[in-house]
Amino acid sequence: ENVLTQSPATLSLSPGERVTLSCRASQSVSNYLAWYQQKPGQAPRLLIYEASNRATGIPARFSGSGSGTDFTLTISSLEPEDFAVYYCQQGSNWPFTFGGGTKVEIK
Amino acid sequence: EVQLVESGGGVVRPGGSLRLSCAASGFSFDYYDMNWVRQTPGKGLEWVSTINWNGGSTGYADSVKGRFTISRDNANKSLHLHMRNLKGDDTALYYCARGGSASSFDYWGQGTVVTVSS
Repeated sequence: ENVLTQSPATLSLSPGERVTLSCRASQSVSNYLAWYQQKPGQAPRLLIYEASNRATGIPARFSGSGSGTDFTLTISSLEPEDFAVYYCQQGSNWPFTFGGGTKVEIK
Repeated sequence: EVQLVESGGGVVRPGGSLRLSCAASGFSFDYYDMNWVRQTPGKGLEWVSTINWNGGSTGYADSVKGRFTISRDNANKSLHLHMRNLKGDDTALYYCARGGSASSFDYWGQGTVVTVSS
């Protein structure tokens, strides 16, 4: 099983700050890496697919990068609605796996 | 508008069975792979199963292999998960999700809760 490790577990930030979230895979996933945002009581929402492509309707302040085993999700300037939990997921091989999540909270 | 609506969750005793369903609308259902993903507070998000567009290929997490069966009815735009020999660890919120590019999950339902308890 390909284990995805996200860091940090929690980030305390203020609106307007730049955010960088990390996801590391135990085995290469090429670019089969997606990022999701989840708010309390809601289903996850796809933000980024194929490591760097924004999903439909996702604002340009969200960007993804990386390949192989190391990936990054960047939010260029935090908006109030961005405080949430972020998950990465690999789709390279079954079993598909998710990272443990990074919670971005208001400082 | 893409919509996925799950149903069939509930409370079941250990060893029991349950059948989840997902009604799809707003897209060409028979063009897409479909998935079940579950979430618990303790274990986070866990992929459960995938079925390809025509039902010819299926995959399962090791934790459910041999107990869960995924199926689809393209004529009625529905996805199903037949769960047998349920265990306490199967207690979770179960989401239906559409397969997207590079095996991402591009649309999700709101989920249905399964509780396995005596």
